[in-house]
Formats: sequence, C-alpha cells, structure tokens
Amino acid sequence: DQQVKQNSPSLSVQEGRISILNCDYTNSMFDYFLWYKKYPAEGPTFLISISSIKDKNEDGRFTVFLNKSAKHLSLHIVPSQPGDSAVYFCAASPVGTGNQFYFGTGTSLTVIP
Amino acid sequence: NAGVTQTPKFRVLKTGQSMTLLCAQDMNHEYMYWYRQDPGMGLRLIHYSVGEGTTAKGEVPDGYNVSRLKKQNFLLGLESAAPSQTSVYFCASSYTPGGGPVDSPLHFGNGTRLTVT
Repeated sequence: DQQVKQNSPSLSVQEGRISILNCDYTNSMFDYFLWYKKYPAEGPTFLISISSIKDKNEDGRFTVFLNKSAKHLSLHIVPSQPGDSAVYFCAASPVGTGNQFYFGTGTSLTVIP
Repeated sequence: NAGVTQTPKFRVLKTGQSMTLLCAQDMNHEYMYWYRQDPGMGLRLIHYSVGEGTTAKGEVPDGYNVSRLKKQNFLLGLESAAPSQTSVYFCASSYTPGGGPVDSPLHFGNGTRLTVT
C-alpha cells in the first residue's frame, strides 16, 4: 500500500512560470519530508526538506509547504527553468525509524523554453 | 570526492543465475540502503544497514540478501535471479551522528540497471 502518493505523473510548465508539484501521505507518523530530483541515468539528488515542526522551508527558487492536517506537501519552483526538467520524488520518514524513507512514484516535470 | 559508487552499471542475467551488486561510499556514513525503482512504483526499500555488521529488511526484501562487512561497503546479492527482479537498483547512504532519528538526507549512487531474462 503506497504511503506516499504523487498523483500527477507529469507536469508541463512554461519557462519563468511557477511549477507546483504535489504529494500526499497517509501515515501520520511521518515527521520528516524531502524532495529529490532525478535526471535520466543518474541517481536522485536531494533538493529540499522540511521537518513536521515547520510548515514552510525555502531554498532559493525552491519552497516546500507542509500541511499536516491535510497530510499534504507541495514543492514550488519559481521561476521555472529548462534545467529543472526532471523527475521529482517526494519522500517521508516516520518518527523513530532512524532514516527509513518512503518514496512517492514521481512527477516528471517539463519546463518549456 | 566520489560520494556513492555502484558497480556494475548494467547487467543482464538469465533466470536462476546469481550476482552481487557492490556499493561503496566515501563519506563515512553510518546508514546505507538498497532501493529498487520500477515504473509506476517509485523507489522501494529492499534492505538497509544502520552500521557495520548490521542489516535489516525493508519493504521488499524477498529474493535478496545483503552484507555490510565494512562501513564503506554494502553488498546486495541475488541468489537465484527471477524476471521480476528486472529493475534499476539504487544504493544510498546517510549520516546519523549519535544514533537515533536525525534529519539527514539520502545520498544516492547512479544506479545499476539489471535485466533478468
């Protein structure tokens, strides 16, 4: 049973506009959330994270929002650039597991020049 | 700094053959993991290790064995390969100072593409 879900397999956005990638989770014990970016033929690379004690975390063009009551997080990329075209995975880790991560199925983002 | 290195990059096996995938990290990380990525399934944890000499089962451990004889290496073995094990395998490591849950991300290798015919 998928505990972390990314319901949009793909997303296309014009360069310079905002990209919003969404992720839902079912396990209320998750307390640490991450986004990874993956290019073809490479491993995922860490992008940004958020702890459950926060509802927002920013790093340059990337912002992650966490809504614990809705069990929902989102990644905003502003402005989107063609180099952002990749597959984005969200991941979550439960309390007390010492870094066991559960991944979503990924969203393929295409930024159109 | 190499980070996480996986060998081999590609492999084709016949059903019933065995093989070992090697993962090496040079970041002195305590935790190491093996994931598999399949279309529409995301990344699923096979086995992981919280330190040298330790291993534990993840979400999908059946058909795989692992060993962590040295802190920097984590081996994934397939004793009798099956077509259902056709996948891309990723090794990852993370830093957890002092034990216990710590907010630290996974660092991934570039993957091994395995095909079992």
